[in-house]
Order: sequence, then C-alpha cells, then structure tokens
Amino acid sequence: LAKTTQPISMDSYEGQEVNITCSHNNIATNDYITWYQQFPSQGPRFIIQGYKTKVTNEVASLFIPADRKSSTLSLPRVSLSDTAVYYCLVVGDSNYQLIWGAGTKLIIKP
Amino acid sequence: NAGVTQTPKFQVLKTGQSMTLQCAQDMNHEYMSWYRQDPGMGLRLIHYSVGAGITDQGEVPNGYNVSRSTTEDFPLRLLSAAPSQTSVYFCASSSTGVYSGNTIYFGEGSWLTVV
Repeated sequence: LAKTTQPISMDSYEGQEVNITCSHNNIATNDYITWYQQFPSQGPRFIIQGYKTKVTNEVASLFIPADRKSSTLSLPRVSLSDTAVYYCLVVGDSNYQLIWGAGTKLIIKP
Repeated sequence: NAGVTQTPKFQVLKTGQSMTLQCAQDMNHEYMSWYRQDPGMGLRLIHYSVGAGITDQGEVPNGYNVSRSTTEDFPLRLLSAAPSQTSVYFCASSSTGVYSGNTIYFGEGSWLTVV
C-alpha cells in the first residue's frame, strides 16, 4: 500500500497561488493520485485525480512528474474559503484499503 | 440528491453500551466503507464492503461490526462502547472501487462521545 507524505500545515494569502506537494515513493504502476478537501465538521470532498503529467479542472491543477513519486496540487488565486485540510491519496485497483495521511492544513489569510 | 446519509449526527454513550450507526446511499454504489477521524488526524478505515453480503476489515476494526444485506445500507455496530471510540465517524461510498476516477462520496459524519 502506497503511503503518502505531505506538509502538516501551510499559510498563504488571498489571491496567491498555493502549491501542496505530496510524496508517494512506493506508488504502484496502476495507482492513481487523488486529492480531497475537508472543511471542519464535514466529510472530505473530491478535488482532482490524475495518473501522470498534468490534470486541470475548474478548481485545481495536479502536476505529476514522470517518475510519479510525488505530485503537486495547485490552487490558483486562493480565497479565504479555501482554508481547509487537503488530503493526498494513492488509490489502486489491487486493494480497497486506502491509507489517508493527516493531510495538509491550509490557512488562507486576508 | 441525498447521496450518503448518516444517522445519528450526534450520540453520547456510556461505557459498555452498544449502538448502531446507520449509513445509506442512493447512488447504487457497490463500495461502501466506514472511517473514524480523531481530532487533528486523518481518516482511518474501520470496515469496508465491495457489495451486498461482502465485508472486510480495514485498519482499525476491533470493537466494531458491520454487515451489508443490501446495496444501499451499511450499518456500523459498536459492540461495547469504550472511551477510546470517542470520535467522528464517516461513512463513504463509491462505484466499483476507488480507482480510475471513481470519486468517494462521504456522509456528513456522526459525532460519538463515550463517557
């Protein structure tokens, strides 16, 4: 099972771009990288998923280098409402036991 | 759209009591799971199910039982509550596992306090 490592916390300011990097050194060939966002007193919510190179949707981009041992979630022009915990998750088709790390607590300041 | 519904939202139990946390989903998802989340921590998998009649243990199964008699429902039973089980519990579901773009949908959580 691929374990992930993320920074415990990050601070940024409104309007800035925020990049959160996740390390997953033992990712398997068929594993995907997925990011979730969790607000206080709520369940996590899907943000983005990718396998390699770059994926972009309406809320974020995900950058994955060729060796896939890390990934970077990029949040463009953050606002106060982006203050949340962000989880990096490696998911594969060989098992259903997902390992969730402690996540990265992102605090956006005005 | 209801999505994943958990009940109750809040519960206080005395040590040794038993109770069941209910979870229902209306998306016809095969995969359902239960997590617990302690303050400042990530999610830890308790039990999961890949379909009706099939369940398996996760990372922290001790003290909990599950069953999956229907696709829609996946109740979590605390057999004899202990203070160490004070936590927030999340039920989740997704279609055909959690890979290849299948999003995990979470319930709103059940706050359990054992005194």
